[in-house]
Amino acid sequence: DAGVTQSPTHLIKTRGQQVTLRCSPKSGHDTVSWYQQALGQGPQFIFQYYEEEERQRGNFPDRFSGHQFPNYSSELNVNALLLGDSALYLCASSYTGGNQPQHFGDGTRLSIL
Amino acid sequence: DAKTTQPTSMDCAEGRAANLPCNHSTISGNEYVYWYRQIHSQGPQYIIHGLKNNETNEMASLIITEDRKSSTLILPHATLRDTAVYYCIVSALNAGGTSYGKLTFGQGTILTVHP
Repeated sequence: DAGVTQSPTHLIKTRGQQVTLRCSPKSGHDTVSWYQQALGQGPQFIFQYYEEEERQRGNFPDRFSGHQFPNYSSELNVNALLLGDSALYLCASSYTGGNQPQHFGDGTRLSIL
Repeated sequence: DAKTTQPTSMDCAEGRAANLPCNHSTISGNEYVYWYRQIHSQGPQYIIHGLKNNETNEMASLIITEDRKSSTLILPHATLRDTAVYYCIVSALNAGGTSYGKLTFGQGTILTVHP
């Protein structure tokens, strides 16, 4: 049973560019959440997708956007990259209903030059 | 979401029980306590969660006080591979009873297991 998979594992971009990160949820999961983890900090919630719509959003600018596909996989897009966007981007999936825990992938390490 | 307070770091001898405390004095009645851990360069790993009762699984035990204002994660026989950052998180159900599951991470506890 594959867990949450993310691609790519590492990515290097320059300021002003755009990036797309991808996530495949754990089998049976229908909800995907994205988190940003700066070096030495805990993960920070970006947004959550369910039924192909953004259901909840954290304190992140509109440069951060996402999408969920009918097969529940998801993308995170970041436009006009800033140096401060350098971080580990984590995807977590869960099954909506009750108190199901989220399961995380190992993330995409994004470096902005 | 309620905030949590954890010690910055803890040490434990290999083979001994590791007891990691967490304070969540402002927890609401519909909030669960979740524990995750993160080993360097990996994503957070779910360990255990609970609402009121003590819980146990193959990884750990979770002890929640009767007033629910604090909890303790117990790793019964710590190994070197348990060295990680441990996060205690409280997360609410929304008014409709469907968990959105937003997790608010703090700084966590760095647990170091020594030989």
